[in-house]
Amino acid sequence: AQSVAQPEDQVNVAEGNPLTVKCTYSVSGNPYLFWYVQYPNRGLQFLLKYITGDNLVKGSYGFEAEFNKSQTSFHLKKPSALVSDSALYFCAVRDYSGAGSYQLTFGKGTKLSVIP
Amino acid sequence: GAVVSQHPSWVICKSGTSVKIECRSLDFQATTMFWYRQFPKQSLMLMATSNEGSKATYEQGVEKDKFLINHASLTLSTLTVTSAHPEDSSFYICSARDLVSSYEQYFGPGTRLTVT
Repeated sequence: AQSVAQPEDQVNVAEGNPLTVKCTYSVSGNPYLFWYVQYPNRGLQFLLKYITGDNLVKGSYGFEAEFNKSQTSFHLKKPSALVSDSALYFCAVRDYSGAGSYQLTFGKGTKLSVIP
Repeated sequence: GAVVSQHPSWVICKSGTSVKIECRSLDFQATTMFWYRQFPKQSLMLMATSNEGSKATYEQGVEKDKFLINHASLTLSTLTVTSAHPEDSSFYICSARDLVSSYEQYFGPGTRLTVT
């Protein structure tokens, strides 16, 4: 089965500084990778995905992620953090569950706190 | 953009009663819908996958008789928690996969269930 790991439970960054939220993956074939953001008591919002193509993927709200096959990583980045970016971030991989069916497998999440 | 709604957004029920949560895809058709459960400060755990017109597929450890899932149309899936107990209190999130794009999975805002 596919899996993703988010090694950091929490990331703190000062407003205006660049931020990185780490994600590594383990897949048996070509990885389909996703990042989602969750605000308190809300569902998940899609940020970006990597299916194929350029290793640098640009997404919503100024976020981007770099796919690195040799390091099996898909870290989320933003050049300049905003206080409003403070939220819970989930990395996910599309997992094949049999009979032509796919589902998302999520990492445990990383809480991002941007300090004013 | 694709929107998934859930109703109610929060519900309080007494132990032993049943509660139904609705999940609707508002502007797209979804052959597949997913139900997740999220405990505080934890990741999303997939409970079941439902395909329109067929029985849901439950993940290991999820009681199908307790968590009844119905996917009667391409825009509506329901989760009924039967004979609820305090340990069923959680945040339930549904997700729907776009019929057109098999990569995109859209999430509802979640339902907070509290069983007293």
